[in-house]
Amino acid sequence: DTEVTQTPKHLVMGMTNKKSLKCEQHMGHRAMYWYKQKAKKPPELMFVYSYEKLSINESVPSRFSPECPNSSLLNLHLHALQPEDSALYLCASSQDLRFRLIDEKLFFGSGTQLSVL
Amino acid sequence: QKEVEQDPGPLSVPEGAIVSLNCTYSNSAFQYFMWYRQYSRKGPELLMYTYSSGNKEDGRFTAQVDKSSKYISLFIRDSQPSDSATYLCADDLERKAGGTSYGKLTFGQGTILTVHP
Repeated sequence: DTEVTQTPKHLVMGMTNKKSLKCEQHMGHRAMYWYKQKAKKPPELMFVYSYEKLSINESVPSRFSPECPNSSLLNLHLHALQPEDSALYLCASSQDLRFRLIDEKLFFGSGTQLSVL
Repeated sequence: QKEVEQDPGPLSVPEGAIVSLNCTYSNSAFQYFMWYRQYSRKGPELLMYTYSSGNKEDGRFTAQVDKSSKYISLFIRDSQPSDSATYLCADDLERKAGGTSYGKLTFGQGTILTVHP
């Protein structure tokens, strides 16, 4: 199984709503990531988890709250988002935090397309 | 100046054409160069990587790096409609934050390619 599974595929939420994005991988990877991708733009790194601990926060606003309940799951909790937060949210995983070369390549999920109204 | 520059296109070619996709980068510290392919409503997938100057071939795809001019290229021979996607070049650079060492991809903007029958 070389898949990263993300749910839901699409999400529409209001600015006062609270919602969560979910990501799951069963490859035994120890590093998991959240990326944000605006239309016609490249993915931008948001958070990095290594061994279930938050290692990197790329100065993301607190209305985005990541959580790693176990080594296979990664959540992104959303609260009081703005319309400009509408984007494709991608989860990814790699064998280890320092990924290089093909053995530790980054596996992306298909993403959650988020619309904030 | 962006660290990785890529012409967003769009690029439209007939089936069977040779496609040339290009990126330039400014950071001399970049060592690992990758090409990701992203189909519509999907996450990026690693297509090819290289960490030295010269060519690397994989089937119909050839990745070329010229470190002296900081130029990265991807050539697609005998292009097929199934090659229609966005192609993202990326550089992998080890970064450090709060004592944590991690690899971070710097993506180009992506080139939208359409191969029409």
